[in-house]
Amino acid sequence: KNQVEQSPQSLIILEGKNCTLQCNYTVSPFSNLRWYKQDTGRGPVSLTIMTFSENTKSNGRYTATLDADTKQSSLHITASQLSDSASYICVVSARNTDKLIFGTGTRLQVFP
Amino acid sequence: DSGVTQTPKHLITATGQRVTLRCSPRSGDLSVYWYQQSLDQGLQFLIQYYNGEERAKGNILERFSAQQFPDLHSELNLSSLELGDSALYFCASSKEVGQGLYEQYFGPGTRLTVT
Repeated sequence: KNQVEQSPQSLIILEGKNCTLQCNYTVSPFSNLRWYKQDTGRGPVSLTIMTFSENTKSNGRYTATLDADTKQSSLHITASQLSDSASYICVVSARNTDKLIFGTGTRLQVFP
Repeated sequence: DSGVTQTPKHLITATGQRVTLRCSPRSGDLSVYWYQQSLDQGLQFLIQYYNGEERAKGNILERFSAQQFPDLHSELNLSSLELGDSALYFCASSKEVGQGLYEQYFGPGTRLTVT
């Protein structure tokens, strides 16, 4: 069964600190992996998309890594800001389909 | 602003009623997706339309139906509503950003409360 699991479920960090969120998936055949940021009550916004041939991609203070062999991805946030408080969702797509499989997300809270 | 619009933003209705949620995709996008997100839950894919035709079905209940019109806007109809249908309903549209790679753009969502 195609699944996407994320950890931790929630995370609290202080402003200015770094953090790393994890995503493990069992989707096969793998096509691409995305990280979305979702503010409370708002629609998800794409941060990065990586295909199987990419192992790292950055978007400002966000850096995603992908290990297609171990089927793991991480999202590293550098120098966190209060506005980073949100849910971060890992989403995986199988080949030959544009259907997305969503993880349940990591809820990040950044405190001053 | 993703360019995807959804109306209404909020909807409060009673059990047993029927409601219609509306979505307009980004200009030029032919695909529309509907998702349900219950409180503190992940997004659940409901259904996808492409250029007016149903393309993929997810965990959509028989009480729910959708359609995409010639102008590409889409409507999600929810009937015989139950308390458990209370959720955020998101619409997304997509465009190809690489070979076989599609980026999805999400609307602001409609918050449905069934009392």
